[in-house]
Amino acid sequence: RKEVEQDPGPFNVPEGATVAFNCTYSNSASQSFFWYRQDCRKEPKLLMSVYSSGNEDGRFTAQLNRASQYISLLIRDSKLSDSATYLCVVNRVGANNLFFGTGTRLTVIP
Amino acid sequence: DTAVSQTPKYLVTQMGNDKSIKCEQNLGHDTMYWYKQDSKKFLKIMFSYNNKELIINETVPNRFSPKSPDKAHLNLHINSLELGDSAVYFCASSQDSGLAGEGKQFFGPGTRLTVL
Repeated sequence: RKEVEQDPGPFNVPEGATVAFNCTYSNSASQSFFWYRQDCRKEPKLLMSVYSSGNEDGRFTAQLNRASQYISLLIRDSKLSDSATYLCVVNRVGANNLFFGTGTRLTVIP
Repeated sequence: DTAVSQTPKYLVTQMGNDKSIKCEQNLGHDTMYWYKQDSKKFLKIMFSYNNKELIINETVPNRFSPKSPDKAHLNLHINSLELGDSAVYFCASSQDSGLAGEGKQFFGPGTRLTVL
């Protein structure tokens, strides 16, 4: 079983829509959680960390459910510039590396 | 002012050749990584170095040999290139070694390797 699993999409949404991505992770020892964003033919970049209590950064809200080993990212009021692939990423103490999901592709349509 | 840089950006070569990719970070980070992203966009760790010492060596053919002359540089040498090596190779760095459970990483722009 993969460390991190995501629905690959694609998600095609109109500007202004709210869209949510989900992700599950297999190892309960996972300690740190992130969403990275990767634009076409570019490198992944950290979008936001995910904290146990949930956290928000502008139009982006991340949530963690440890019991279900589930992470989510909600994007409100989608912009054209949000079009990208969103990578769910987990780390665990002692693992010394990040485990990446295969990403969920989002296209925001005018 | 580039944080993590890689050269070359594109690399097209014949099967059987030997090639190197270079990576440098000016963030003062202690840990550097090499990742491979295949055609299905799956990003997988290959190697990790902390302060010039190898920490992670995933199941990678021994044709791939990383070298870290100092903690700001991590190069990747590939011998006897095969068709299946075609991918995008990303270098990354992070402040911590990952042992603390953190792991925010900064990626280079990638090297797109095509083996013909």
